[in-house]
Amino acid sequence: GAVVSQHPSRVICKSGTSVKIECRSLDFQATTMFWYRQFPKKSLMLMATSNEGSKATYEQGVEKDKFLINHASLTLSTLTVTSAHPEDSSFYICSAHRGMNTEAFFGQGTRLTVV
Amino acid sequence: GQNIDQPTEMTATEGAIVQINCTYQTSGFNGLFWYQQHAGEAPTFLSYNVLDGLEEKGRFSSFLSRSKGYSYLLLKELQMKDSASYLCAVRDPPGGNNRLAFGKGNQVVVIP
Repeated sequence: GAVVSQHPSRVICKSGTSVKIECRSLDFQATTMFWYRQFPKKSLMLMATSNEGSKATYEQGVEKDKFLINHASLTLSTLTVTSAHPEDSSFYICSAHRGMNTEAFFGQGTRLTVV
Repeated sequence: GQNIDQPTEMTATEGAIVQINCTYQTSGFNGLFWYQQHAGEAPTFLSYNVLDGLEEKGRFSSFLSRSKGYSYLLLKELQMKDSASYLCAVRDPPGGNNRLAFGKGNQVVVIP
């Protein structure tokens, strides 16, 4: 089956630094990938849609300059949390679809802790 | 927009059957998904409904009524490993780029 790989799985960073999270589709090409954020015992909140070769589409309330998304190839999207603060600590998950009208495959998730 | 509602938590005994409900209000319907998520892990796909009726996959079944904006996931012969959060998600209408809107999830705790 399709596999989406996310790296790193855990990261601890100091307040004010930036963290990059990678999302790769391993056996298919994905023109679109999605980035979610999840707080403990809460549901997945869509942050943005990553579009290969063009700008990401951000959901309402998500700061574009804070969460930089780059989708430079058909198999890789990156999310950079810039100038991280403790309130950015969360579980970040990416997903991709093999094609239109198919299920989403999720990466393993990244647990970000900002200290 | 999408508005999806799920109850929050339930406890059930090993071997039992549980039903998890999901209601939704959408501006256009293009399929409903059920995912299982264990704590600290990414969601895994369970089932997909786009037409009314029941879809059965082993111990898991999912039902959809589009006219009622309602779906349920049925878990049979519960096992301890089924303790997880169960999320329903509704897809954007056609042309919406496959975006999914998730409900809050229902935490199922299986006890011996």
